[in-house]
Amino acid sequence: AQKVTQAQTEISVVEKEDVTLDCVYETRDTTYYLFWYKQPPSGELVFLIRRNSFDEQNEISGRYSWNFQKSTSSFNFTITASQVVDSAVYFCALSLTYDEKLTFGTGTRLTIIP
Amino acid sequence: SQTIHQWPATLVQPVGSPLSLECTVEGTSNPNLYWYRQAAGRGLQLLFYSVGIGQISSEVPQNLSASRPQDRQFILSSKKLLLSDSGFYLCAWNGQGNSPLHFGNGTRLTVT
Repeated sequence: AQKVTQAQTEISVVEKEDVTLDCVYETRDTTYYLFWYKQPPSGELVFLIRRNSFDEQNEISGRYSWNFQKSTSSFNFTITASQVVDSAVYFCALSLTYDEKLTFGTGTRLTIIP
Repeated sequence: SQTIHQWPATLVQPVGSPLSLECTVEGTSNPNLYWYRQAAGRGLQLLFYSVGIGQISSEVPQNLSASRPQDRQFILSSKKLLLSDSGFYLCAWNGQGNSPLHFGNGTRLTVT
């Protein structure tokens, strides 16, 4: 069975600071997909990124960047120059190639203090 | 473009009453459909998923059931609600190939 761990339950940073959200996963499969979702206060989940297990290249999208390291089974998410609009709960998730279901971590509540 | 609709947005029901939450997807065919529950302060728990009409898989034993009467319709039901059924229920869909999940806006259920 697969598992996703987000050890940081809550994080608060002052606006414009950088912040990294940790995600550690467990699976015995060699082929899998990793995801990050954002849940703003309104409740809906917004897809941010998907990576497959064969692509360890780090990815940058504006102020967002993701660091995928298979050696440590981690898929960390960094927000640079945080803004108040980044305040949300962030979920990391994993799925297997033969199984469309996503296993989610318990989420990290990020609060950006103005 | 594809859209997902989920209703109602909020619901307050007494213990022992029935429940029916509906979810529909537009703009795609044969989607995988999912019901997740998010209890207060906790992560997302997969309740049911469906890969086709009439095909329902249950992930956890519980007081709830799901049905898929049409290709793009997914219904979450209960005959008698329990206090522990309170939570935020999210419907989601995706296509094939481990495509990302797309979520509805959720239903906040309070059982009193």
